[in-house]
Amino acid sequence: DSGVTQTPKHLITATGQRVTLRCSPRSGDLSVYWYQQSLDQGLQFLIQYYNGEERAKGNILERFSAQQFPDLHSELNLSSLELGDSALYFCASSVAGHYNSPLHFGNGTRLTVT
Amino acid sequence: GESVGLHLPTLSVQEGDNSIINCAYSNSASDYFIWYKQESGKGPQFIIDIRSNMDKRQGQRVTVLLNKTVKHLSLQIAATQPGDSAVYFCAEKERDYGGATNKLIFGTGTLLAVQP
Repeated sequence: DSGVTQTPKHLITATGQRVTLRCSPRSGDLSVYWYQQSLDQGLQFLIQYYNGEERAKGNILERFSAQQFPDLHSELNLSSLELGDSALYFCASSVAGHYNSPLHFGNGTRLTVT
Repeated sequence: GESVGLHLPTLSVQEGDNSIINCAYSNSASDYFIWYKQESGKGPQFIIDIRSNMDKRQGQRVTVLLNKTVKHLSLQIAATQPGDSAVYFCAEKERDYGGATNKLIFGTGTLLAVQP
């Protein structure tokens, strides 16, 4: 168990809808990362937050947004969903202030857009 | 942009044999590398990491080798067991002088199948 918690585990929704994925990092970790894993794209970095502030951004669509709250949990919001957004979404966290430390991943949310 | 890639998409080994999973990276600015194991239905699980100032690091039954000259990373698993069957990813992090992020770029993965 990595200590990173993601909810829900599964989500099925229709095109055009909006969903929110939630992540609780490991105790003591200040950084949260979101990744998307699809069959044809592998693990793609979306965005990173550190202590509530956006720190790095990947190829995240404008329809997607995220935030990290004062209690350090994070949410990833996906709107105007399309069939191609179906994927596994992973959250990871890392030790605060440690450069070159590994990311620890949750077990993901499987999103199916129908 | 630059990316990490794997030579072999599938590796089949006999139980008890040693496994070697290879990874080529193209970003010479990368200074930190990690191997992850992903089992079906789970998130990537940290196995071992190595910094660019090292060329070898050993863990329990695993060894990571880094050859910066040819930009090559490998994961060796000793006495492979059925429980080692999974997809293995290498990941790299570009040197970040500001220390702002540990953003990782992942390779495409290698499926390790252990035959009993």
